Amino acid sequence: DIQMTQSPSSLSASVGDRVTITCRTSQNIVRYLNWYQQKPGKAPQLLISFASSLQSGVPSRFGGSGSGTDFTLTISSLQPEDFSTYYCQQSFSTPFTFGPGTKVDIK
Amino acid sequence: QVQLVQSGAEVKKPGASVKVSCKASGYTFTNFYLHWVRQAPGQGLEWMGLINPSDSTTNYAQNFQGRVTMTRDTSTSTVYMELSSLRSDDTAVYYCSRGGEMSTDTPFDFWGQGILVTVSS
Repeated sequence: DIQMTQSPSSLSASVGDRVTITCRTSQNIVRYLNWYQQKPGKAPQLLISFASSLQSGVPSRFGGSGSGTDFTLTISSLQPEDFSTYYCQQSFSTPFTFGPGTKVDIK
Repeated sequence: QVQLVQSGAEVKKPGASVKVSCKASGYTFTNFYLHWVRQAPGQGLEWMGLINPSDSTTNYAQNFQGRVTMTRDTSTSTVYMELSSLRSDDTAVYYCSRGGEMSTDTPFDFWGQGILVTVSS
């Protein structure tokens, strides 16, 4: 199975801050890396697919990069509605593993 | 619009089975894989497996092999997930989510609202 790690596991930030979350995989997954946002009590929502492709309707302040085993989710200017938990997930091979999540809360 | 509507919450005793449903609408049901993902209270996301609604082929995560069965009913555009030999650590919210069109290496772009399954004596 492909193991996923995320860092940090949590962070505190202010509105307007630039936030970077890192995801690392245990083997090369090319660019089969997706990012999801989950708010409490809600289903996850797809933000970015294939490492850097922004989903329709997702604000442009979200961006993704990386390939191989190292990937990054960046929020260029944090907004109040962005305080959530973020998960990376690989869709390279089954089982389609998720990272442990990064909780972004208000400083 | 694409919708995945899941059945209601369940409470089960240890050792029992639970069967939950996910009704799809707004797209061609047989063209897209459907996945099941669960989330224990306060924990992360765990992929359980997938079903191809076109031919009902399945792929289950090793952690659930022998305990999970995913089926579909094309007449109602519904997929089902049955988990047997329930334990307390199966208490979780169970989500169905839509995968790729004719491919598995794609993200999950739509999700059901989730079903809380509680296993308690």
